[in-house]
Amino acid sequence: NAGVTQTPKFRVLKTGQSMTLLCAQDMNHEYMYWYRQDPGMGLRLIHYSVGEGTTAKGEVPDGYNVSRLKKQNFLLGLESAAPSQTSVYFCASSPPASGRRYNEQFFGPGTRLTVL
Amino acid sequence: QKEVEQDPGPLSVPEGAIVSLNCTYSNSAFQYFMWYRQYSRKGPELLMYTYSSGNKEDGRFTAQVDKSSKYISLFIRDSQPSDSATYLCAMSFYNYGQNFVFGPGTRLSVLP
Repeated sequence: NAGVTQTPKFRVLKTGQSMTLLCAQDMNHEYMYWYRQDPGMGLRLIHYSVGEGTTAKGEVPDGYNVSRLKKQNFLLGLESAAPSQTSVYFCASSPPASGRRYNEQFFGPGTRLTVL
Repeated sequence: QKEVEQDPGPLSVPEGAIVSLNCTYSNSAFQYFMWYRQYSRKGPELLMYTYSSGNKEDGRFTAQVDKSSKYISLFIRDSQPSDSATYLCAMSFYNYGQNFVFGPGTRLSVLP
């Protein structure tokens, strides 16, 4: 099992360009998430999905769009990239919540994005 | 004031030392407390989680939650160079991922 994979690993964009980050998981998880990680800020949730065909906004959704057409894939789009979107982006997946048991999030290796 | 605060470090210790990593938080409604370990240029991986107050031990790692003080700790005994990583605390009202709040992380170096 590959777990959670992300493509690309690195990308440099110019202001105003668009791109899509792809996340794939082979654990049959219902929930998937997109985070960004910035120095001194911790992980911040951008968007998440609780199942195929559903998405919802997280803490910092502005400037991003997402789609979950297939259960195993979660796409993050930047329509018009800005320097403030320079960050490391992590995708994660988890099984659905069940009682009081914590459902572990499994993270991908990250995508380093620089917007010039 | 940030919702979750964590000393960013870096923290350098000699091999074999006992390490104490800490987070403070402001929201008394948090019930789930997690520690993630993140190696350089990798994604975070869950190390330990605790529901409500108390201690939890797993090998060389002990997680401690003091809800009255809004303070959580991770202790690492007999630290090894392989423990060198950034440690993120996270907490939540519920066990749903979309509600987690992460600390900024503490960078730890264990020197051989």
